[in-house]
Amino acid sequence: TQLLEQSPQFLSIQEGENLTVYCNSSSVFSSLQWYRQEPGEGPVLLVTVVTGGEVKKLKRLTFQFGDARKDSSLHITAAQPGDTGLYLCAGAPGNQFYFGTGTSLTVIP
Amino acid sequence: GAVVSQHPSWVICKSGTSVKIECRSLDFQATTMFWYRQFPKQSLMLMATSNEGSKATYEQGVEKDKFLINHASLTLSTLTVTSAHPEDSSFYICSAPVETQYFGPGTRLLVL
Repeated sequence: TQLLEQSPQFLSIQEGENLTVYCNSSSVFSSLQWYRQEPGEGPVLLVTVVTGGEVKKLKRLTFQFGDARKDSSLHITAAQPGDTGLYLCAGAPGNQFYFGTGTSLTVIP
Repeated sequence: GAVVSQHPSWVICKSGTSVKIECRSLDFQATTMFWYRQFPKQSLMLMATSNEGSKATYEQGVEKDKFLINHASLTLSTLTVTSAHPEDSSFYICSAPVETQYFGPGTRLLVL
């Protein structure tokens, strides 16, 4: 059982469509982070959410932290081919830092 | 910002040999480093937590005798894959927590 479960695992959409990625856990996190990773490279931090219920926006990306700080979501508006990549949520319930199961997004031109 | 380097960036080796991967914090000290393994189209799986001056903490299911971790200084942690086999072929990446996580560029290992 993974500490952080993401859904969907794979997502293929047309350019211009909207999408939402979910990150769920049974554990409470003081903060959660979202990363985007390109093949063969390290993950790049997109955002950190800290407060329960918090909503952060990064251009066309909207991140939300659940009220109970056990889950988070990433919403992309009007997806573009450049959004293609592996999206990962991550957090540290204790001293270790864990990644979610990942969502591989493909945006078709 | 903080920089973490890894060496080598890629390595090809024969089955049965051992491979050492270095993770260095270039402009800061790291008492803790994390080692991850990633298979194609999958997420990063935490293998172990490297602790400077003490034994590493391994995640469940990770063989500590196969994946040797040494954190001998505040700027260097090494991961040695002993008696590597083709199933060990993967992308290995380290990170160091300094307020946030700083990741190395990763090491791609191919075992023939």
